[in-house]
Amino acid sequence: QVQLVQSGAEVKQPGASVKVSCKASGYTFTTYYIHWVRQAPGQGLEWVGIINPGAGTTFYAQKLQGRVTMTRDTSTTTVYMELTGLNSEDAAVYYCARDLRRIPAPAPGAFDIWGQGTRVTVSS
Amino acid sequence: QSALTQPASVSGSPGQSITISCTGTSSDIGGYNYVSWYQQHPGKAPKLLISDVSSRPSGVSDRFSGSKSGNTASLTISGLQAEDEACYYCSSYTNRITFVFGTGTEVTVL
Repeated sequence: QVQLVQSGAEVKQPGASVKVSCKASGYTFTTYYIHWVRQAPGQGLEWVGIINPGAGTTFYAQKLQGRVTMTRDTSTTTVYMELTGLNSEDAAVYYCARDLRRIPAPAPGAFDIWGQGTRVTVSS
Repeated sequence: QSALTQPASVSGSPGQSITISCTGTSSDIGGYNYVSWYQQHPGKAPKLLISDVSSRPSGVSDRFSGSKSGNTASLTISGLQAEDEACYYCSSYTNRITFVFGTGTEVTVL
């Protein structure tokens, strides 16, 4: 079945970087966009960015530009999200989610299949 | 990009219908028919309920329906059930090739 399996929880110090992985299975990896969404404790959902696993192209939320990088490894069908310069506001559960539409599509449209989430704690 | 505006909470009795609004701008909801809705139970990942304003993915109950008028989208839950108690989020594609979520609405079944 289609599933996204994420890496385990991380604890990082302020100013450090974190890299979270998301392994896709059950479908052709390069045919669906992958999004990253985060949720701070007790807060709502926040879109982080999107990657086209085939082309490697990315788009990021404006507030995270310059600190976030999304990459992929087609040989292991894994997408990565790296966030640098961590601060307390980055503490959250990070989810990867597959888009609903097959590539190419007029535009990505919805978050269909979700990973289990990865908790990132920022603490000194 | 500011979050889309949702009511903080909505409640209803079992069997009743409730509607959750989601207000944005012409740069997001008003400009595209790419509005989606998600249900999230505590400690769980969100679940897609509605895509493209009013399309229901396979397996989602037909008690959930979506619509849009201008810059405001709406999710209606009919025949409210205890299991519907959760937090609901809207989302929209935007003109900057990004996405924005709503502020979230807690649904309480009385």
